[in-house]
Amino acid sequence: QQQVKQSPQSLIVQKGGISIINCAYENTAFDYFPWYQQFPGKGPALLIAIRPDVSEKKEGRFTISFNKSAKQFSLHIMDSQPGDSATYFCAASMASGSRLTFGEGTQLTVNP
Amino acid sequence: NAGVTQTPKFRVLKTGQSMTLLCAQDMNHEYMYWYRQDPGMGLRLIHYSVGEGTTAKGEVPDGYNVSRLKKQNFLLGLESAAPSQTSVYFCASSRDTYEQYFGPGTRLTVT
Repeated sequence: QQQVKQSPQSLIVQKGGISIINCAYENTAFDYFPWYQQFPGKGPALLIAIRPDVSEKKEGRFTISFNKSAKQFSLHIMDSQPGDSATYFCAASMASGSRLTFGEGTQLTVNP
Repeated sequence: NAGVTQTPKFRVLKTGQSMTLLCAQDMNHEYMYWYRQDPGMGLRLIHYSVGEGTTAKGEVPDGYNVSRLKKQNFLLGLESAAPSQTSVYFCASSRDTYEQYFGPGTRLTVT
């Protein structure tokens, strides 16, 4: 019930391409879905987040698509750049909970 | 604002030794968390606190203890280190159950 499943584990994209990472959840009480970005040797940092009352949120080249009925959400990185190479984590939480539930992470490599 | 800081950055322990990791935040956050990160395992929650003087178990609490005597500090203790506790440890804090701010991590090796 509390799990968030993330795929793929790793992803290699050419510069300028689109990177897509997917997550699925079970608990319908989740009401906040963030994506975290982690560079090697650093702690994760919030990249973008969405609430279930909207189906899409865009910030620059990063877009979250949210499908409430399918209990899935995804991160799209348009015009991927080598500087986007990092590990990405999806997560979910709810107001009545006390913590984030993280996916397993996706290691993205963008080749120049 | 320093945000979330962690001490030390690196540590090597021998099996059976003990140590304490310190996390400090200057954002007046109520919630604080300790995670461990291992290759292919993502971020796993060890213990967390929803306020000063409170602690609770996460997914992988065995072998660890925590204390939150002051709101700004969250300590993670290893009483008798084991090689299985070799990992990168991250502390995080948050104002509510949503956005978490992470520290830079502590890389611990137990030989």
